[in-house]
Amino acid sequence: DAKTTQPPSMDCAEGRAANLPCNHSTISGNEYVYWYRQIHSQGPQYIIHGLKNNETNEMASLIITEDRKSSTLILPHATLRDTAVYYCIVSQTNSGNTGKLIFGQGTTLQVKP
Amino acid sequence: DGGITQSPKYLFRKEGQNVTLSCEQNLNHDAMYWYRQDPGQGLRLIYYSQIVNDFQKGDIAEGYSVSREKKESFPLTVTSAQKNPTAFYLCASSKASGNLGRSYEQYFGPGTRLTVT
Repeated sequence: DAKTTQPPSMDCAEGRAANLPCNHSTISGNEYVYWYRQIHSQGPQYIIHGLKNNETNEMASLIITEDRKSSTLILPHATLRDTAVYYCIVSQTNSGNTGKLIFGQGTTLQVKP
Repeated sequence: DGGITQSPKYLFRKEGQNVTLSCEQNLNHDAMYWYRQDPGQGLRLIYYSQIVNDFQKGDIAEGYSVSREKKESFPLTVTSAQKNPTAFYLCASSKASGNLGRSYEQYFGPGTRLTVT
């Protein structure tokens, strides 16, 4: 499975955009980029995923570089409730895929008033 | 409401006792997963099941057992053979990968925090 690299922590001012980077330089053509977040002592929550194109939903936007070696999760107007650990995961699509996710350490985002 | 539930939220057991953690989903998902999380760490896969009556070991299956007799239920038993059972246990479900092996987003339950003394 491809590995990801994320900064261990970031701060963001409330109301500002939070931009969380992720490097996945060994990603292969059939691997998706997924983002989850985990608020303290809760189960992880799915945010968004993408393959090649940028994606947007009601929670966030995902920007994937043209070479697919990195991506950025954007929370357009961060609130205090967005304080959480954010995980960037690459997940394969192939006949042997089990669907399992490999969680790294993630980025702890602290939104400050 | 559709979702995935785990019970209980907190569980305390004495060393040497087996304990079973409950996981139920009404999302009509074929695939279910059990993860373990230790303080300050990411999640690690214990067992997963792509279909009823079938399950596979994950990365850290030793000392655990599961069953999948019903589509909506995937209980996890932490046996006395598990050396460090105290942890936060998370259950998840998703659509099955299918023949194309597509990965689908997983939906997680609220977790069970197990403490063994």
